[in-house]
Order: sequence, then C-alpha cells, then structure tokens
Amino acid sequence: DSGVTQTPKHLITATGQRVTLRCSPRSGDLSVYWYQQSLDQGLQFLIQYYNGEERAKGNILERFSAQQFPDLHSELNLSSLELGDSALYFCASSFQGRRLYGYTFGSGTRLTVV
Amino acid sequence: AQRVTQPEKLLSVFKGAPVELKCNYSYSGSPELFWYVQYSRQRLQLLLRHISRESIKGFTADLNKGETSFHLKKPFAQEEDSAMYYCALSNAGFQKLVFGTGTRLLVSP
Repeated sequence: DSGVTQTPKHLITATGQRVTLRCSPRSGDLSVYWYQQSLDQGLQFLIQYYNGEERAKGNILERFSAQQFPDLHSELNLSSLELGDSALYFCASSFQGRRLYGYTFGSGTRLTVV
Repeated sequence: AQRVTQPEKLLSVFKGAPVELKCNYSYSGSPELFWYVQYSRQRLQLLLRHISRESIKGFTADLNKGETSFHLKKPFAQEEDSAMYYCALSNAGFQKLVFGTGTRLLVSP
C-alpha cells in the first residue's frame, strides 16, 4: 500500500454521464496531482492542488474539474463523458518540504466509457 | 522551460543483456531527477532518484550535467524488468515533477 488511496478502482459508465473520482493523499502530504493515462499514451498532467488551492493546470479539459477539501482529499469530476475519456486516472501526492522527494502514486481508477 | 526527453518508445532486449534507457533533460537550474517504473499498467513506483545515489533492483542512473542526461542502466536484464519506465525532472522551487513520455522495456527469454 503506497499510502495514496483512489476510489473506485474501476468505473464503467455511458457517454454523456458524469463521474467523480476520489483520492486520499498519503498522510502528511499537502499536494495532490491528477494524471490521465490513455491506452499506449504517456502520463498527461491534469491539475495540481496544494493545501486546498489550485497550484498548476495542465491539459485539463473544460468538462473536467477538480477540488481539494479541508481534509486534503481530492475529487476529480468528469462530465459529458466521451468515449475518448476512457483511461487510467492516477492521483499522486507529495510533501511540500524543502526538497521534492518525489511523488507517491495511487493505484489509479480505470474509467471505461461505453 | 523544463523538458524531459525519452527518445525510445520501445526497447527490446534479451535476458542477460545490458540495458540503457535514455533520458535527456533541459532545465536552466539545478535539477533533481527521478526514474519511475510502471508494471502492467499498475501504479507508478519510484525506482530511484539521483540525490540518493542508490541502486535499486540492479538499476543505476548517473546525472551528467554536461550532457544533461540521466540514463538508466542495468548490466544484466531480467524478464521481470519488463515494464514502462518514466524519467522525471523536478523544479524544486515549484515542487512539481515533469515526466518524459516513457520507454517500454521488453525483456525476452
């Protein structure tokens, strides 16, 4: 167990629907990052939150949004889903100390849009 | 701008052969570099980081600032090394990792 918990592990939904992916960071980590990994594609950075505030934005579609709550868990909301949104969605967390010791990744949520 | 380049999408070797996965970076400051491994689309795991100067599972990586490279090496590949490998660069000031596009290592018996 890496300490980063993502739920659900699998999700199958229809086009046009909305889903919410949840991430609980490792204890003590203030930063949460969301990544999308499509089949045969690399990691696409979506968005970063630090202690409840948006810190950086990547290639995140307008149909997608995220937030980080006071207890530091984060949710990624995907709406008006399309077939092309089918992917693995990873959450990672890190400790915002003087140095970045790397990210700790969760096991991911596998989203299938049918 | 920060950038990480992994020129090989796929690297295929035989068991027992040496392996070198290439990683080049561009960053004007003092970089911190990492290698992550992903087995069969599972979660990414930190393999090693240059500041630790460690060897994990027989893998090593040396930061070459002159060539702006951080290549991952292993003298004798094993079948269980087959995985996706990502090189990543940190801008410590912004506490964010920039990942390369990854190299798939396939070790055949």
